[in-house]
Amino acid sequence: GAGVSQSPSNKVTEKGKDVELRCDPISGHTALYWYRQSLGQGLEFLIYFQGNSAPDKSGLPSDRFSAERTGGSVSTLTIQRTQQEDSAVYLCASSLAGRAQETQYFGPGTRLLVL
Amino acid sequence: GDSVTQMEGPVTLSEEAFLTINCTYTATGYPSLFWYVQYPGEGLQLLLKATKADDKGSNKGFEATYRKETTSFHLEKGSVQVSDSAVYFCALSDRGGGSEKLVFGKGTKLTVNP
Repeated sequence: GAGVSQSPSNKVTEKGKDVELRCDPISGHTALYWYRQSLGQGLEFLIYFQGNSAPDKSGLPSDRFSAERTGGSVSTLTIQRTQQEDSAVYLCASSLAGRAQETQYFGPGTRLLVL
Repeated sequence: GDSVTQMEGPVTLSEEAFLTINCTYTATGYPSLFWYVQYPGEGLQLLLKATKADDKGSNKGFEATYRKETTSFHLEKGSVQVSDSAVYFCALSDRGGGSEKLVFGKGTKLTVNP
């Protein structure tokens, strides 16, 4: 079946604008994760969804970042009032049930550039 | 909190050379351990994993053994190929942490020359 998909693949925005990033996980996967990959910080966890709930939001860097998941499927990560330090590749991953031993399958990422 | 430390490289080898990328971890629980690989222009994909002590993960000629006594999960390959050029990430997922999120090392860039 299809893997994890993300859109857009690239996004260029101006400082202060809001952006929405979309993730479509593998069908049937209840666990969904957002990560951020940047040169300075490496790969960082942002938020975890189990179904439509987000029991772990500990990685969100500020209150400008929010995410939701609807229908136990698609998730949207929203960044308000973007800053240049938000420039990074945003990765989405899904796994079957969110257990530690499961493989997380990653999407191709959204490359965000804030000018 | 949990953390992963891996040799950062970059590492440059000739084809058919032996590869070791060191990875050690700190975890509060009993983690599962992973190696992910990112080939040029591609997304992050699982290379291998091990979920309990003394397990050996293997794939595409790569191996890593979960060593609880030394908290290590070193990646090895006996004879690298040009096609192995990529960035390799060691990661853990800790049970009982609530989210079982992946905690990554900083990545090791490997270049294999013909």
